[in-house]
Amino acid sequence: TQLLEQSPQFLSIQEGENLTVYCNSSSVFSSLQWYRQEPGEGPVLLVTVVTGGEVKKLKRLTFQFGDARKDSSLHITAAQPGDTGLYLCAGARSGGFKTIFGAGTRLFVKA
Amino acid sequence: GAVVSQHPSWVICKSGTSVKIECRSLDFQATTMFWYRQFPKQSLMLMATSNEGSKATYEQGVEKDKFLINHASLTLSTLTVTSAHPEDSSFYICSARPGTGPYEQYFGPGTRLTVT
Repeated sequence: TQLLEQSPQFLSIQEGENLTVYCNSSSVFSSLQWYRQEPGEGPVLLVTVVTGGEVKKLKRLTFQFGDARKDSSLHITAAQPGDTGLYLCAGARSGGFKTIFGAGTRLFVKA
Repeated sequence: GAVVSQHPSWVICKSGTSVKIECRSLDFQATTMFWYRQFPKQSLMLMATSNEGSKATYEQGVEKDKFLINHASLTLSTLTVTSAHPEDSSFYICSARPGTGPYEQYFGPGTRLTVT
C-alpha cells in the first residue's frame, strides 16, 4: 500500500512554465519533507513542513502543508532546465519511526 | 551542515565476492541511519534501519544474512553485500537522521554496485 501518493508521476514542460506537484495521503503526518534527486546522486533535502497550513518558499519553489497535515504541494514558478530531476515527498507519522516516501515525480524542463 | 558521505561511489565486483559500503555523517551525530536501494527511474526502497549499537531492523523481503549492516558509531554505518550476484547490481543510498529535528534525513551521494 502506497501511503503517500504523488502526482503527476512524470511531467515534461517548457522553460518558463509553472507547475505543481501533489503529495496526498489519508494518514496524518507529523512532518513532511520534499527532496530533489538528480541522476546518479542522492536526494537533497529541499524543505521540511511541520505545521498544518504552513507555507514555505525557497526562491521559485513554494511548499504548502495541508491544514489537516495529510497532503502537501510543491509549486515551481518559471521552471528552468536546472529544475529537472526526481522530486520526492516523504512523511513521518506521529509516533512512527520510519519515513514513508512517495513514488516520486520526474520533472523534465526543456530549454 | 548535515553532510553525509558514502564510499565508494561506484564499485564493480565479481559474482560470489563481498562488497562493503561505508556511510558517514560528517558534521553531525546520527542516532539512526537508513539504507535504501533504488532501481532505475524508481523511488527509494528502504532496506533496513540501523541504530547505533544495536542490530539493524530489516524490511520484509530483505535478507539480513546477505545485506549485513553494522552501525558501530554515531557517525558510521556500513552495508556489506555478501556473496554478490548480478541481481544485486543497483544504486545503494544511505541516509542519516540527526538526534534532533522533525525526522529529517540527509542522504549520501549513493553507491553504484555492478556485479559481473
